[in-house]
Amino acid sequence: GAGVSQSPSNKVTEKGKDVELRCDPISGHTALYWYRQSLGQGLEFLIYFQGNSAPDKSGLPSDRFSAERTGGSVSTLTIQRTQQEDSAVYLCASSSVLTSGSNEQFFGPGTRLTVL
Amino acid sequence: AQKVTQAQTEISVVEKEDVTLDCVYETRDTTYYLFWYKQPPSGELVFLIRRNSFDEQNEISGRYSWNFQKSTSSFNFTITASQVVDSAVYFCALSENNNAGNMLTFGGGTRLMVKP
Repeated sequence: GAGVSQSPSNKVTEKGKDVELRCDPISGHTALYWYRQSLGQGLEFLIYFQGNSAPDKSGLPSDRFSAERTGGSVSTLTIQRTQQEDSAVYLCASSSVLTSGSNEQFFGPGTRLTVL
Repeated sequence: AQKVTQAQTEISVVEKEDVTLDCVYETRDTTYYLFWYKQPPSGELVFLIRRNSFDEQNEISGRYSWNFQKSTSSFNFTITASQVVDSAVYFCALSENNNAGNMLTFGGGTRLMVKP
């Protein structure tokens, strides 16, 4: 079956521009996660959704970052006024019914963002 | 706060050698989950194993085996008779039970290079 998909696969933008990154989770997965992978910081959690709501936004690095999820499916991560330190690979993951930490997360291929 | 440490940043072996990747974790929870993911050069994180804190039985899957020891807070991963296709970055991760979002805290990763 189809896995987690993300678009675009690569995005190059100029400092100060806004970008939108999209994630299509595995069909039926209610939990959706965004992570960021960068050279200096490793893999870090950004935000997660249970259905359409985001109970925990504590991982978002600044108020320039926001995310939404509609219809319990597709999610968009938006970065406003991009900075060079936002350059990273943004990974999306989804998992099935949210039980207590028991379910594995399936990851998409990521979006490589480069801010010039 | 949870933390995962993978002290080996890079390991190089020759094909058919056995190799063990170390993972040490910190958590205040009594119930938690440990994971290993593989990230091949293509970039996509591939789930390998999940282990809950109440199950200390070691597990073997083909050439892969995992050794979970609560006494030393370690969850080590051994590849027997390594192959070139095992070359990848391997991440150990932790999810705490009291963490409503079940987000993963990752170690820094170990880059494994298997030479022919």
